[in-house]
Amino acid sequence: DADVTQTPRNRITKTGKRIMLECSQTKGHDRMYWYRQDPGLGLRLIYYSFDVKDINKGEISDGYSVSRQAQAKFSLSLESAIPNQTALYFCATSDADSGANVLTFGAGSRLTVL
Amino acid sequence: AQKVTQAQTEISVVEKEDVTLDCVYETRDTTYYLFWYKQPPSGELVFLIRRNSFDEQNEISGRYSWNFQKSTSSFNFTITASQVVDSAVYFCALSEGGGNTDKLIFGTGTRLQVFP
Repeated sequence: DADVTQTPRNRITKTGKRIMLECSQTKGHDRMYWYRQDPGLGLRLIYYSFDVKDINKGEISDGYSVSRQAQAKFSLSLESAIPNQTALYFCATSDADSGANVLTFGAGSRLTVL
Repeated sequence: AQKVTQAQTEISVVEKEDVTLDCVYETRDTTYYLFWYKQPPSGELVFLIRRNSFDEQNEISGRYSWNFQKSTSSFNFTITASQVVDSAVYFCALSEGGGNTDKLIFGTGTRLQVFP
């Protein structure tokens, strides 16, 4: 099994629908992140969490919310999806002891909002 | 403000050629970390290297080498004798502060295509 698992891998939805992307990890890492990848823009940080009680906004948090249900689980929600949220979403983890920002990524969740 | 520029959008080479991917960064901090990540066609990003701002020694790992030059704010990545399996999008990234920070700023990536 992958160290960082994202579900679903692909989702097509309609404008206005609520969508949840889930992430679970077996690395035992404290830190978890959600990034968004758009062509020509690289990856941008949406939200991050350094432990279960810590949630922080990233560069582009508007329109998104997150929940850290446990150390191993970090979900991203789009309460009312819009077409410009069509993107590839990545969950990542890191361990403060081994070096912050040495990220382990999931395989990505491709979201299409029609 | 911190920024990472990868001016090369796409590079195509023939197998066994050497290729250098450029990365230029901007930061006001004296302590920072630089990274390279690889995104193969499968999509999952893979960590390649991390270098802190106090260590300008170049690094070689097999066919991969990295040249860090603070004078030009560059952290370039060279693949020697490229192979088809090197085909991927490569991202350079920067984090400021002591490395234990919340933000990793990515460049826009360079797509490398290696043809047989």
